[in-house]
Amino acid sequence: DTEVTQTPKHLVMGMTNKKSLKCEQHMGHRAMYWYKQKAKKPPELMFVYSYEKLSINESVPSRFSPECPNSSLLNLHLHALQPEDSALYLCASRHPGQGNNEQFFGPGTRLTVL
Amino acid sequence: QQQVKQSPQSLIVQKGGISIINCAYENTAFDYFPWYQQFPGKGPALLIAIRPDVSEKKEGRFTISFNKSAKQFSLHIMDSQPGDSATYFCAAYTGRRALTFGSGTRLQVQP
Repeated sequence: DTEVTQTPKHLVMGMTNKKSLKCEQHMGHRAMYWYKQKAKKPPELMFVYSYEKLSINESVPSRFSPECPNSSLLNLHLHALQPEDSALYLCASRHPGQGNNEQFFGPGTRLTVL
Repeated sequence: QQQVKQSPQSLIVQKGGISIINCAYENTAFDYFPWYQQFPGKGPALLIAIRPDVSEKKEGRFTISFNKSAKQFSLHIMDSQPGDSATYFCAAYTGRRALTFGSGTRLQVQP
């Protein structure tokens, strides 16, 4: 299984809502990533988890809260978002190890904030 | 600060032609340079990648050329097909093992 799955595929939420994005992989990868991608732009790194510990936080606003409950799952909790947060949110995973650099991306969650 | 510069922004190629996308980087600590292909509504997928100790890598119709002294690398798509129409991103790994992407090239292959 070389697949990263993300749910939901689409999400529409108001600025006062609380929602969560989910990501799952069963490749035994121990590094997992959240990226944000605006239309016609490249993905931008948000968070990196390595062995279930947060290793990189790219100064993301606190209204985005990541969680890695186990080695296969990665969540992104959303609260009090702004319309400019509307984007495609991508999850990726990688097996840490020297010389092993390939990141596998999921299909993304298309988020719209009203 | 944009660490990987990519050009052109868009590219139109006739079927059977050669598509060429160029990237340049600044950080000499980068040690792995992948190219990703992204179709609308999908996540990026790894296409081909190269390390700086190799000058060229070929996989099927896709070739990466790497010039370490010039800090430039390029993707060549031979015999371009309409199914190759997508957005292509060059990228580089930082020491933190996280990808830095170029700005992307929208390729359209006309039948």
